[in-house]
Amino acid sequence: NAGVTQTPKFQVLKTGQSMTLQCAQDMNHEYMSWYRQDPGMGLRLIHYSVGAGITDQGEVPNGYNVSRSTTEDFPLRLLSAAPSQTSVYFCASSYPRDAGDNEQFFGPGTRLTVL
Amino acid sequence: GDSVTQMEGPVTLSEEAFLTINCTYTATGYPSLFWYVQYPGEGLQLLLKATKADDKGSNKGFEATYRKETTSFHLEKGSVQVSDSAVYFCALRGGYNKLIFGAGTRLAVHP
Repeated sequence: NAGVTQTPKFQVLKTGQSMTLQCAQDMNHEYMSWYRQDPGMGLRLIHYSVGAGITDQGEVPNGYNVSRSTTEDFPLRLLSAAPSQTSVYFCASSYPRDAGDNEQFFGPGTRLTVL
Repeated sequence: GDSVTQMEGPVTLSEEAFLTINCTYTATGYPSLFWYVQYPGEGLQLLLKATKADDKGSNKGFEATYRKETTSFHLEKGSVQVSDSAVYFCALRGGYNKLIFGAGTRLAVHP
């Protein structure tokens, strides 16, 4: 199993550009989520999904869109990047759909810089 | 709202020293508590957890006890190794499908 994979590892954008961060898992996990990690603030939940076709907002959803068309993939879209979105982004997955107390498996992260 | 506070790092220790990383929380009720570890260049991994008061989580020589009286979940290890160098995150279950993380504490262990 590859686990949770994320691409790209690094990305530099200019303000106003758009991009999609890719996340995939091969563990047949129902629950997937996106976090951002900022210095001194830990990880904060952006969006999550409890299954294909179902998404919901987390703590800091503004400026980000998600969709879940398959169990395996959960892309995160930045429609118009802003410097405040400079961060490290982590995708995570868990089984079953209520992540609850179950272990969440994290990808290696994408480091995004918005100029 | 719910929150987690960790001691600021970095924590620098010599190999075989005793480790304590403090973690306190604010929450409604008694949420499950977790320690995650992030090794350089990698994502987070679950280190241990405790789901109710007085539970002790343990893994790889690390331990943490859920103390509801002091709302704490301090991480301890009796003898650290260079390979334990990483960033450690305390977290709590903040509701349906939500983890609330502390800011993280960087540990550096020197030979």
